[in-house]
Amino acid sequence: GQSLEQPSEVTAVEGAIVQINCTYQTSGFYGLSWYQQHDGGAPTFLSYNALDGLEETGRFSSFLSRSDSYGYLLLQELQMKDSASYFCAVKAAGNKLTFGGGTRVLVKP
Amino acid sequence: EAGVAQSPRYKIIEKRQSVAFWCNPISGHATLYWYQQILGQGPKLLIQFQNNGVVDDSQLPKDRFSAERLKGVDSTLKIQPAKLEDSAVYLCASSLGRNDQYFGPGTRLTVT
Repeated sequence: GQSLEQPSEVTAVEGAIVQINCTYQTSGFYGLSWYQQHDGGAPTFLSYNALDGLEETGRFSSFLSRSDSYGYLLLQELQMKDSASYFCAVKAAGNKLTFGGGTRVLVKP
Repeated sequence: EAGVAQSPRYKIIEKRQSVAFWCNPISGHATLYWYQQILGQGPKLLIQFQNNGVVDDSQLPKDRFSAERLKGVDSTLKIQPAKLEDSAVYLCASSLGRNDQYFGPGTRLTVT
């Protein structure tokens, strides 16, 4: 089976940097995905890491270390609109995703 | 390009009643997923279709939940009979089989 651990909540101010960690225990690991979900909204895809290292997409970056079963999402230059829940998800065979419990990010002025 | 469509957006039923949700995926997406998201938790996969065949339904409570995807396009998810613990948002997602899934707006189900 799969299990994922991520912090439940993070608070930061506008312009700051936030790192959301995700550790996982899994069999048949293909990669780690990150999704953003605003309250009442649908999850939207942010990034996917299959190999070790850092992937950068604008203000957001995602990192993976397969040997440590660990990844993180880095949110830079935080904006109010970044207040949302962020989910890491392990991808297994057949494009099956198992989601973590989510990290609620609250951005304050 | 139109996104994933779901209906209804909200549904309130009493326990032991039945309910059905409908999903229309993005055109051309062969893979379709149904997830259950309980408030404060991450989405949990219920069933995955590849075209009109079931790939994974290991977490679907088959005594009360059923799903079908006729002609490999639209899909319906049914609950019969509903229990209080089925109160959740039911999300449909579709994919071309790459690394990203596209989610619909969901159906918020309240069972009283």
